[in-house]
Amino acid sequence: QSALTQPASVSGSPGQSITISCTGTSSDVGSYNYVSWYQQHPGKAPKLMIYDVSNRPSGVSNRFSGSKSGNTASLTISGLQAEDEADYYCSSYTGSSTPIFGGGTKLTVL
Amino acid sequence: QEQLQESGPGLVKPSETLSLICTVSGGSISSYYWSWIRQPPGKGLEWIGYIDFSGITNYNPSLKSRVTISIHTSENQFSLKLSSVTAADTAVYYCARVPVATYFDYWGQGTLVTVSS
Repeated sequence: QSALTQPASVSGSPGQSITISCTGTSSDVGSYNYVSWYQQHPGKAPKLMIYDVSNRPSGVSNRFSGSKSGNTASLTISGLQAEDEADYYCSSYTGSSTPIFGGGTKLTVL
Repeated sequence: QEQLQESGPGLVKPSETLSLICTVSGGSISSYYWSWIRQPPGKGLEWIGYIDFSGITNYNPSLKSRVTISIHTSENQFSLKLSSVTAADTAVYYCARVPVATYFDYWGQGTLVTVSS
């Protein structure tokens, strides 16, 4: 069971939009609309930002959006703000009823 | 709003068993699934396993032979036991609520467990 593939790092300037990809296989991302995204600031617990590919929990800014095409899911952050600088992890449900995580992406706000 | 809090020893000797408890407040444990997730220092997240309110479990295949997750409904707690630990098991351990077995919506603050003699 290999981890989902994410870019190690992405960066953007305040106000810009960035997209983080999360690539899996036909056994996980490609087969289920059960991709979730988590934001983690240093020393803090992860926070759910997106679930079931594109749903936002109550209280999460609408600057965060999710999508999926084939075996790749994406998280887009629009109107980038300094507070968005964090690590981001994707997760997907798999055919064996177990979730797997991506390796994580460090977002730097320039 | 649910709150989760991990507790347990911060230091475990190699070959011994790591034991942690997650206490759930603000809601009943007799619903949903409940999960353990860990994060080695400077690395990514690894799902360990989950348990539902009836006690049915599902574990990460890579850890299955060493993991036991139990639920204690009267105390509103669930627990993790990881046997035969090595330095590779050093990590921050998180407990989390799993609404429908597909995502984690509430997390504990995490507890660092170091495996060292």
